[in-house]
Amino acid sequence: AQTVTQSQPEMSVQEAETVTLSCTYDTSESDYYLFWYKQPPSRQMILVIRQEAYKQQNATENRFSVNFQKAAKSFSLKISDSQLGDAAMYFCAYRSARGGNKLVFGAGTILRVKS
Amino acid sequence: NAGVTQTPKFRILKIGQSMTLQCAQDMNHNYMYWYRQDPGMGLKLIYYSVGAGITDKGEVPNGYNVSRSTTEDFPLRLELAAPSQTSVYFCASSYQGPNHPQHFGDGTRLSIL
Repeated sequence: AQTVTQSQPEMSVQEAETVTLSCTYDTSESDYYLFWYKQPPSRQMILVIRQEAYKQQNATENRFSVNFQKAAKSFSLKISDSQLGDAAMYFCAYRSARGGNKLVFGAGTILRVKS
Repeated sequence: NAGVTQTPKFRILKIGQSMTLQCAQDMNHNYMYWYRQDPGMGLKLIYYSVGAGITDKGEVPNGYNVSRSTTEDFPLRLELAAPSQTSVYFCASSYQGPNHPQHFGDGTRLSIL
């Protein structure tokens, strides 16, 4: 079974600075997808960014980018120019390329943004 | 533009009571999912469905049942509520295919006392 580990329960960043959230995963599969979801206090789960394992190029969405290291099974999220609205719980998630598109989530990292 | 709609948003149950959490989506998604989120934890999959009439267990199915009679609806039933089922429940849906993201509802906060 696949597992996802987020080793940082909580992180803090100063507004306008950069922060990196860590995620590692364990799988024996070669074809899969990785996601970062944001959960603000409103509880809504919002997709931030996704990465296909077959792509070597790291995904980027505006201020959000990932560092995908397939051999190391690492998938970190970098947030540049942090904003107060980035404060939330961030979840890393894994999805196999087969079998119902089920997501396996990490335990989450709380991101606090200081003004 | 409703997306995924969950009802109710909050509920308090007594031990041993039963209830159904409703989930509906209007995006014509084949795949639907139920997750639970315990305090300070990630989401864990309870049940999922890949189409009307087809359901399967996730990581933590004990104490729950589901049905999928239509594409739009995917209700989750608790038959004998237990304190361990106190959690926030999320419903999600997606198109078929692993590269399609899941769309989540706003969650139902359930307390069993």
